[in-house]
Amino acid sequence: GAVVSQHPSRVICKSGTSVKIECRSLDFQATTMFWYRQFPKQSLMLMATSNEGSKATYEQGVEKDKFLINHASLTLSTLTVTSAHPEDSSFYICSAEDRDYDLYEQYFGPGTRLTVT
Amino acid sequence: KQEVTQIPAALSVPEGENLVLNCSFTDSAIYNLQWFRQDPGKGLTSLLLIQSSQREQTSGRLNASLDKSSGRSTLYIAASQPGDSATYLCALNNNNDMRFGAGTRLTVKP
Repeated sequence: GAVVSQHPSRVICKSGTSVKIECRSLDFQATTMFWYRQFPKQSLMLMATSNEGSKATYEQGVEKDKFLINHASLTLSTLTVTSAHPEDSSFYICSAEDRDYDLYEQYFGPGTRLTVT
Repeated sequence: KQEVTQIPAALSVPEGENLVLNCSFTDSAIYNLQWFRQDPGKGLTSLLLIQSSQREQTSGRLNASLDKSSGRSTLYIAASQPGDSATYLCALNNNNDMRFGAGTRLTVKP
């Protein structure tokens, strides 16, 4: 099956710094990628939808200036958490949509655990 | 806006039992529905994908059904094992928008 990678898998940073998380589709091209965050014992919450070559669409309540998303190619999307604060500590998961054969199947990365101290 | 509900929120069964997890949704205009498994602190593992035009999918001991008219999907797990203990999530894909249920936390006791 299709593979999506995320890097880094874990990151610890200090308050006020910025962190970039990469999401790559390794063996297919993804016009659309999604970013989710998950708080402990809660389900995934969609943060934003990114389409290659255009601006991301953010869900209500998600600060676009804080969570910068770039989808510069069909295999790479990045999420940058700017001026991170402890409340940004969370598990961030990306997914990439494979539209081959009109399946629209989502493939998920392994996630990135961000801890802001 | 799609709303996805999973019942029960938690389930504990003895090993060997067959069980059913339920997922209901409000908008039937979907591309597909996926069932995922999530182990504590880990990412998602896709279990089954049911296209909008399909009624069910099977993989090993797992069987997922989809009834769009009633807005329901079930995940049937046969002969449960302790290794099946995890949180199971259903997700609906509506045209560039994927919504997850809150999940069912399954514990299979040896």
